[in-house]
Amino acid sequence: HVQLVESGGGVVQPGGSLRLSCAASGFTFSTYGMHWVRQAPGKGLEWVALISYYGDDKYYADSVKGRFTISRDNSENTVYLQMNSLRAEDTATYYCAKVSSPPYYFDYWGQGTLVTVSS
Amino acid sequence: DIQMTQSPSSLSASVGDRVTITCRASQGITNYLAWYQHKPGKVPNLLIYAASTLQSGVPSRFSGSGSGTDFTLTISSLQPEDVATYYCQTYSSAPRVFTFGPGTKVEIK
Repeated sequence: HVQLVESGGGVVQPGGSLRLSCAASGFTFSTYGMHWVRQAPGKGLEWVALISYYGDDKYYADSVKGRFTISRDNSENTVYLQMNSLRAEDTATYYCAKVSSPPYYFDYWGQGTLVTVSS
Repeated sequence: DIQMTQSPSSLSASVGDRVTITCRASQGITNYLAWYQHKPGKVPNLLIYAASTLQSGVPSRFSGSGSGTDFTLTISSLQPEDVATYYCQTYSSAPRVFTFGPGTKVEIK
């Protein structure tokens, strides 16, 4: 069955960097796009980034464009989110999610990893 | 960019009640609309996609309808395990963005 396991969250100072990882199993990883979605404490869901199955096409929310970079390693079945220039408003639980079929939704989600940006 | 609104923001209903949640898009989205259930401490769960298609394994008391700008999620007979926040979500191809509604919190009376 599909499993997505995030890691890499933690506490970081404003302006700092962090890299999140999401290890996937239970499906043919190299044939699906992958997303990152976040939820700030007490707030709703916010889409962050999408990477295509082959890794060439990447899309970002305006709120993270130029600061975050999504990437993937199909040999390791892992998707990453490199987060730079972190701000307090980036504090959230970050979920990786698998692109659905049809590819407009999110059909499997990881358990999330908490990122706290604070001095 | 497309904006999504949901109403109500929260509701309280009795077990067995019929519950309806509305989602409205700021522009026409044909049927690019999904509903998710997010229980406290759990991961979001895809309930319905393409506005009305039930995801595999989701109980049949959940249903979705609508097209264009107005959509509804209906729970035909509310159960205690349905306590959650429900989000609608759409997709835009130009620019490629994915937008969630603000959520509707459902509680048992």
